[in-house]
Amino acid sequence: QVQLMESGGGVVQPGRSLRLSCAASGFIFNTYAMNWVRQAPGKGLEWVAVISYDGINKYYADSVKGRFTISRDNSKNTVYLQMNSLRAEDTAVYYCARPKGGNYGAPFDYWGQGTRVTVSS
Amino acid sequence: EIVLTQSPGTLSLSPGERATLSCRASQSVSNNYLAWYQQKPGQAPRLLISGASSRATAIPDRISGSGSGTDFTLTISRLEPEDFAVYYCQQYGTLPSTFGQGTKLEIK
Repeated sequence: QVQLMESGGGVVQPGRSLRLSCAASGFIFNTYAMNWVRQAPGKGLEWVAVISYDGINKYYADSVKGRFTISRDNSKNTVYLQMNSLRAEDTAVYYCARPKGGNYGAPFDYWGQGTRVTVSS
Repeated sequence: EIVLTQSPGTLSLSPGERATLSCRASQSVSNNYLAWYQQKPGQAPRLLISGASSRATAIPDRISGSGSGTDFTLTISRLEPEDFAVYYCQQYGTLPSTFGQGTKLEIK
């Protein structure tokens, strides 16, 4: 069965960095684009970034562009989110999500359980 | 980016009643690539509807989606206790993908 498991969250000071990981299993990972979506405490969902199946194409929300980098290692079935210059407003639960069918233009049919990031001094 | 506005913010209904949730887009959603998700406290979102009206796997037929262009609706015909949750719409036809702010469906 499809499983997505995020890790790497924690408490970090403003301006510092953190790298999140999402380990995938149960499907052919290197044929699927992958997304990160976040949810601030008590708030709605915000799409963060997407990476193509081969890692070549990457797109970001304006709110994280230039600070966050999405990447993947298909040999490890893992997608990453490198978060630099963190701000208080980046505090959220971060989910990785798989697009149905594998392409960008697809809804997210599987989600991880999320990893919590708190940016605070 | 395409802004999605959901209404109402909160909907208070009783089990057995019909729920109608709205999602309006600031511009036409490409190919009607509009999805609905359900989220319960402490859980990840769950895909209910894609392509505006196609039910996802294992979603009961009392849950349906409709609409096109800029106006979309999620309908739950007969509310069950497990339906009380927060619902989000998402457009995935144009990057950046965007979500509505959510509708909380609560027990009256």
